Amino acid sequence: DTGVSQDPRHKITKRGQNVTFRCDPISEHNRLYWYRQTLGQGPEFLTYFQNEAQLEKSRLLSDRFSAERPKGSFSTLEIQRTEQGDSAMYLCASSPTLNTEAFFGQGTRLTVV
Amino acid sequence: RKEVEQDPGPFNVPEGATVAFNCTYSNSASQSFFWYRQDCRKEPKLLMSVYSSGNEDGRFTAQLNRASQYISLLIRDSKLSDSATYLCVVKQDMRFGAGTRLTVKP
Repeated sequence: DTGVSQDPRHKITKRGQNVTFRCDPISEHNRLYWYRQTLGQGPEFLTYFQNEAQLEKSRLLSDRFSAERPKGSFSTLEIQRTEQGDSAMYLCASSPTLNTEAFFGQGTRLTVV
Repeated sequence: RKEVEQDPGPFNVPEGATVAFNCTYSNSASQSFFWYRQDCRKEPKLLMSVYSSGNEDGRFTAQLNRASQYISLLIRDSKLSDSATYLCVVKQDMRFGAGTRLTVKP
């Protein structure tokens, strides 16, 4: 499968715990995006990388959120001290260039209890 | 003003109807636009790109109006399988609209 891969698909965690999600983009896609989506809403932009450089972060991305893409391939999104409001679908997408379409992974559904 | 705004919907139409969605964007320098389709609890999937001259793919037509900064999606002869949420995105910013939910009924 050469699509965008996200792991895990589902995560249930207790409030206050830290969680980390992984995204493997399509090979040779140098742009990688993270989104958060709640029911009935469109994907909310969180951050994006061009290769290993994090070029933009949304103000939605509080200091509890951090993302990395250390070698310009896979990326991780970490949420520290999770809160119930963090419950959402976290989507990753990649694209080869600025103006081409982006392809999404199946997402990681986070539930904070 | 939000970067990308869409018709709120929901749109409930009978099979065979023609339905159109609009999406406005705030960044006048935007160059690339796309429509995505998202089924319930699934990831968004590309429906079609939006070209300056407008483009058609079967029953779907996408158009761009740069002067008024909006894109549109027209669906002709709606099918039950067209029921989904339709999302527009401005590629440079990779900002999505909130989505327009379409339900096609028999």
